[in-house]
Amino acid sequence: AQSVTQPDARVTVSEGASLQLRCKYSYFGTPYLFWYVQYPRQGLQLLLKYYPGDPVVQGVNGFEAEFSKSNSSFHLRKASVHWSDWAVYFCAVSLLMGYKLTFGTGTSLLVDP
Amino acid sequence: DAGVTQTPRHEVAEKGQTIILKCEPVSGHNDLFWYRQTKIQGLELLSYFRSKSLMEDGGAFKDRFKAEMLNSSFSTLKIQPTEPKDSAVYLCASSLKREQYFGPGTRLTVL
Repeated sequence: AQSVTQPDARVTVSEGASLQLRCKYSYFGTPYLFWYVQYPRQGLQLLLKYYPGDPVVQGVNGFEAEFSKSNSSFHLRKASVHWSDWAVYFCAVSLLMGYKLTFGTGTSLLVDP
Repeated sequence: DAGVTQTPRHEVAEKGQTIILKCEPVSGHNDLFWYRQTKIQGLELLSYFRSKSLMEDGGAFKDRFKAEMLNSSFSTLKIQPTEPKDSAVYLCASSLKREQYFGPGTRLTVL
C-alpha cells in the first residue's frame, strides 16, 4: 500500500527566507502527488499537483515542488516565505487520478517576523 | 462556482447520540470523499463514492459510521451512536477524476 512520510513535524523560518518542506512517498508505480495547505480552522486547499510529466511543478503563491523517482521524494519549496504562509502543509499520494488520497502527517510552518 | 459546502460547521453531541453531517460537492463533480482528521491519527478516509455508488469505506469505521449519497449533489455522514473518541474534524471533498477540493469541515465534539 502507498504511504507518505513527512519527517518534519514543525519547521520555523524567518520571513523572507527560503523554505523546503520534505515529503517521501512509498509506492510501486507512477504516483500522483499533491501538496495541500490548511490554515487555522479551515479545510485543505490545493497548492500544487504532480501528474507524470515535468518533474518540477509550479503552484499558487510562489510554491513549487520537485518530483524525484530515484529519491521517492516530492519536496515543496518557496524562495521567499511570507508571514501569511503560516499554516500546516500536507503531502498526499494517490495511485489513480481522482482516487482516494493517502496523506502524510503534516508539517506545521511557523514564520518568524 | 461554489466550492464544497459542509454543514454544520460545529456540532456538539452527548455520548450515545446520533448525528448527521452534510456535504454538498462542487457542481458536476462525480467523486465524493469523507475524511476524518485528528491530531493523533491525521487524515483518514471514511468513505468514497463515484457517481453515487459507494466504492470504498474505511474498514475501521464500518460499525457506527454510515455515509450515503442519495443524489449527485448531496451526501450525509451518520454517526450512530457517538462516542467521545469520535471528536474530530470531518472533511468532505469532491473531484472530477482529478484533484480533490475540500470543504471547510465540521468540527465534532462528543461529550
